[in-house]
Amino acid sequence: DAKTTQPPSMDCAEGRAANLPCNHSTISGNEYVYWYRQIHSQGPQYIIHGLKNNETNEMASLIITEDRKSSTLILPHATLRDTAVYYCIVSTNFGNEKLTFGTGTRLTIIP
Amino acid sequence: DAGVTQSPTHLIKTRGQHVTLRCSPISGHKSVSWYQQVLGQGPQFIFQYYEKEERGRGNFPDRFSARQFPNYSSELNVNALLLGDSALYLCASSPGQGVRSGANVLTFGAGSRLTVL
Repeated sequence: DAKTTQPPSMDCAEGRAANLPCNHSTISGNEYVYWYRQIHSQGPQYIIHGLKNNETNEMASLIITEDRKSSTLILPHATLRDTAVYYCIVSTNFGNEKLTFGTGTRLTIIP
Repeated sequence: DAGVTQSPTHLIKTRGQHVTLRCSPISGHKSVSWYQQVLGQGPQFIFQYYEKEERGRGNFPDRFSARQFPNYSSELNVNALLLGDSALYLCASSPGQGVRSGANVLTFGAGSRLTVL
């Protein structure tokens, strides 16, 4: 699986959009970008995934650059409950459940 | 519907002992994966089981073993415990192989926190 690089920490004001970047310059053509988050003392929670098109669901939006070497997770209106560690992972989508978690980005939402 | 349930939630063992951790997947999910999360790090993949067969194994010693039962629940066993085995052990389930879209959309349990003294 391709390696990802994320900033170790970020702050965001409550109510503002949180933009979390991820670099995955060695991503291969059949690898998807997945985002999970982990709130303190809980198991990771799936947020969103995509291949090359931008994706949106009820939790977040995922913007993937045209060359697929980087992506941005957007939480449109951050709340205090969004404080968590966010993991960007690249993996094939079929028959492979070995997710390689890095150290992620610790996002702190500030009141 | 119940999510992924793990037991016990917390346990304390001493070096050299054996531990068994249990996981019940979401109803209808046939695949179970196990991850180890040491404090301050991201989860590390240990095993994946699908239809009672091991489909993947991470870089862990043979002291770690697992199995999946006909009802798709799973056990993780660790023998000869070391201090370094202290961690949060996470179980995740998914519909499993053969489901082309979202195969890596895993649902994690809250974990079993193991402390080895």
